[in-house]
Amino acid sequence: EAAVTQSPRSKVAVTGGKVTLSCHQTNNHDYMYWYRQDTGHGLRLIHYSYVADSTEKGDIPDGYKASRPSQENFSLILELASLSQTAVYFCASSILANTEVFFGKGTRLTVV
Amino acid sequence: GEQVEQRPPHLSVREGDSAFIICTYTDSATAYFYWYKQEPGAGLQLLMSVFSNVDRKEEQGLTVLLNKKDKRLSLNLTAAHPGDSAVYFCAVSYGNEKITFGAGTKLTIKP
Repeated sequence: EAAVTQSPRSKVAVTGGKVTLSCHQTNNHDYMYWYRQDTGHGLRLIHYSYVADSTEKGDIPDGYKASRPSQENFSLILELASLSQTAVYFCASSILANTEVFFGKGTRLTVV
Repeated sequence: GEQVEQRPPHLSVREGDSAFIICTYTDSATAYFYWYKQEPGAGLQLLMSVFSNVDRKEEQGLTVLLNKKDKRLSLNLTAAHPGDSAVYFCAVSYGNEKITFGAGTKLTIKP
């Protein structure tokens, strides 16, 4: 069964600290995505990747970096966490753009 | 960029009744349309997807209608049961890597 696993599932970070959110997929999918979910805003795309060692900016990339060291792994990095980055983050994967997107269970990040 | 408006933000219906959610979009280009379901503490699960050449699609108690003239996408959930309580999202994609989501509708099924 297709699987997207995120870690950690929740995290509390201090303002100004570095945060890394990890995502691992066993779907053999080329496309991977990081979304942010805020109440009342649906999901907004932060970064995505369609091949290892390459990442692309989404709609709200400021304050975030992404890393795709392999087809299976895609990380989201907050170099200097800020209060406004408190949200739930979802990783997802798909075979191609516009095919079914499989989501992980999310990471709840609280920046204090 | 593309904007997707979804309403209502909250919806409460009695068990056995129907629930109706609407999304409107701005770009009239060829697109893929999706409905997702998110249960508490879980990721989004794809319910149905339709291409822009489809006006109506029915699957397992769900009906998706696409009105391209009015740029409106709707989801009708018939005979609701408690397991249908969740947040529902519409989403639109235009043949690129970006999918634009609506803000979500929290559906509550009352006994």
